[in-house]
Order: sequence, then C-alpha cells, then structure tokens
Amino acid sequence: GAGVSQSPSNKVTEKGKDVELRCDPISGHTALYWYRQSLGQGLEFLIYFQGNSAPDKSGLPSDRFSAERTGGSVSTLTIQRTQQEDSAVYLCASSYQGQGRYEQYFGPGTRLTVT
Amino acid sequence: AQSVTQLDSHVSVSEGTPVLLRCNYSSSYSPSLFWYVQHPNKGLQLLLKYTSAATLVKGINGFEAEFKKSETSFHLTKPSAHMSDAAEYFCVVSSSPSGGSYIPTFGRGTSLIVHP
Repeated sequence: GAGVSQSPSNKVTEKGKDVELRCDPISGHTALYWYRQSLGQGLEFLIYFQGNSAPDKSGLPSDRFSAERTGGSVSTLTIQRTQQEDSAVYLCASSYQGQGRYEQYFGPGTRLTVT
Repeated sequence: AQSVTQLDSHVSVSEGTPVLLRCNYSSSYSPSLFWYVQHPNKGLQLLLKYTSAATLVKGINGFEAEFKKSETSFHLTKPSAHMSDAAEYFCVVSSSPSGGSYIPTFGRGTSLIVHP
C-alpha cells in the first residue's frame, strides 16, 4: 500500500516568505507527527496530532510555526516569515496507535532551504 | 516521563565483524522500543520493535535487539556487518499511561561506519 508522502520534496525560499509543507499519512493512521532534522543532527519533535487535534504543540520553535490537520488525514505545516535557521529537512510520520501497532512510518521529507 | 540515551555517537567496524549499537532508556510506564535506520539522504525506516512480547526481537537485514528490563537497555546487534549497513541509527522509546497517547522520544542517533 501507499506510504507516507510529503510535498514538495525540495523547497527553496527567500528569507521572510511564508512556506507550506504538506503530509499525506497512511490511510487509517490516527496519529501524525512532524519533526525537523538539521544537517547532521537528530530529530527535533515539532507537533503531534491525534485525529484532528494537536494535544502536544510543545515542540514548535516559535509562533511563526503552525500546523493543522483536516479530516483526520492530510496535514500542513506552515512557517511564516522564514528565517535562515529554519533551513532543515522536515519529516512527517504517521502511526496507527492501537492493537500493539505504535510504530511510526516516515515520509521522505521536505528539504527546506531559506536563502 | 521517558528518555533514551544512545551511548555512542559513532561506531566504526570492519565489514564482516559484529555490530553493537547501545541504547539505554527510562520510562515511567511499560515502554515500546524501536530502532530506526536512516541511510544518507533517505527517510527513516523501521528496523525492529519491542512491544512487551518476546524480549529478543528480530528485525530486517539481520539485525536483532534484546530488551533487558533490569538494565533498562535495548542494544542493537548484527553478527556480521555489511557495507550497506553504513547509516544513522536511532533508538526510540514510546510509552503512555493507560488510555493516553504514545509520543515517541528519539535518541540522538549513532552513525555506523563500515570499513572494507
């Protein structure tokens, strides 16, 4: 079956512009996660959705970052007024969350470059 | 509360020799534990998972891990390294109070280098 997909795969934007990153989770997965991975670094947790609700937004770095999920499916991560330090790979993952199936399935990521 | 510590940031082995990547965890609840692999410029792929069944877990590509509650460890091993095993490996703990949500905590990663 189809895995997690993310778009765009690469995004180059100018400092100060807004960007939208999209994630399509695996069908039937109720949980969705966003992470950020800077060059050579580990994963930084950003936000988690259970259904359309985000019980944990603790990882969002600033109020320039926001995310939403609609219909318990697609999610968008929006970064307003991008800064150079926002340059990173943004990873999305989904999981079933039940019946012992808690593992995450990751998308290929969106590489964001802010010039 | 939960946390995970990967004890080595880099591990270097020769092709054909055993691999050991170390991971310790802490958790207030019964944890689920995972290892993921990330090859250069690729996404993360699940290697194996422990979810309170057998303590010795076998994964893909010949990897396995043993859950040791007394030592709070979940080390990843492979009898014989292959060049294609060179990648970044992440240990992950995920636990939740009953009825709560599972939010995983990732280790900082171990870079496995395989020499010919």
